[in-house]
Amino acid sequence: EDQVTQSPEALRLQEGESSSLNCSYTVSGLRGLFWYRQDPGKGPEFLFTLYSAGEEKEKERLKATLTKKESFLHITAPKPEDSATYLCAVQAGAAGNKLTFGGGTRVLVKP
Amino acid sequence: NAGVTQTPKFRILKIGQSMTLQCTQDMNHNYMYWYRQDPGMGLKLIYYSVGAGITDKGEVPNGYNVSRSTTEDFPLRLELAAPSQTSVYFCASSLGGYDGYTFGSGTRLTVV
Repeated sequence: EDQVTQSPEALRLQEGESSSLNCSYTVSGLRGLFWYRQDPGKGPEFLFTLYSAGEEKEKERLKATLTKKESFLHITAPKPEDSATYLCAVQAGAAGNKLTFGGGTRVLVKP
Repeated sequence: NAGVTQTPKFRILKIGQSMTLQCTQDMNHNYMYWYRQDPGMGLKLIYYSVGAGITDKGEVPNGYNVSRSTTEDFPLRLELAAPSQTSVYFCASSLGGYDGYTFGSGTRLTVV
């Protein structure tokens, strides 16, 4: 059974204080690892897909990296508008392109 | 381009009542999904569909049913609502392959 664990559960940062979120996974035949951002009361919004160990992707202040067992989402010099819940999900080789999600990390950036 | 549209946004049901959560997408995506999200938890897959006329169970299908008569619509039916079905329900769609999902804005359901 595919498993995804995210840590920490919550993170409080001062504006400009860089940090990293962790996503560890157990899956047979990883096809892709996905990062989403979710604002309160809204659906998740797609950020990145990573396909293989060593791959990195960037978007504004966010940078995602992937190893064979985990992924990191680095937030560089965060701003209050980066406050959200960040969800990690894995896609294995099973039919239907289904995603298995982690529990998320709630990030609060204070000015 | 509306993306994925879910209705209603909020609903309160009494125990034993039934209802249908509507989901429509206008992106011509073949793949559609229903997830539920409980407070502080990740999303759990209820049902999914790989195309019109084809549906399959996800991780937590008990108490729910789906149908997919068209590419655009993927309604979720709750029969005999129970308090354990209190949750936020998200519909999503994708082209398939490595594409990320596009999610709707969710339906917040409370069963009392």
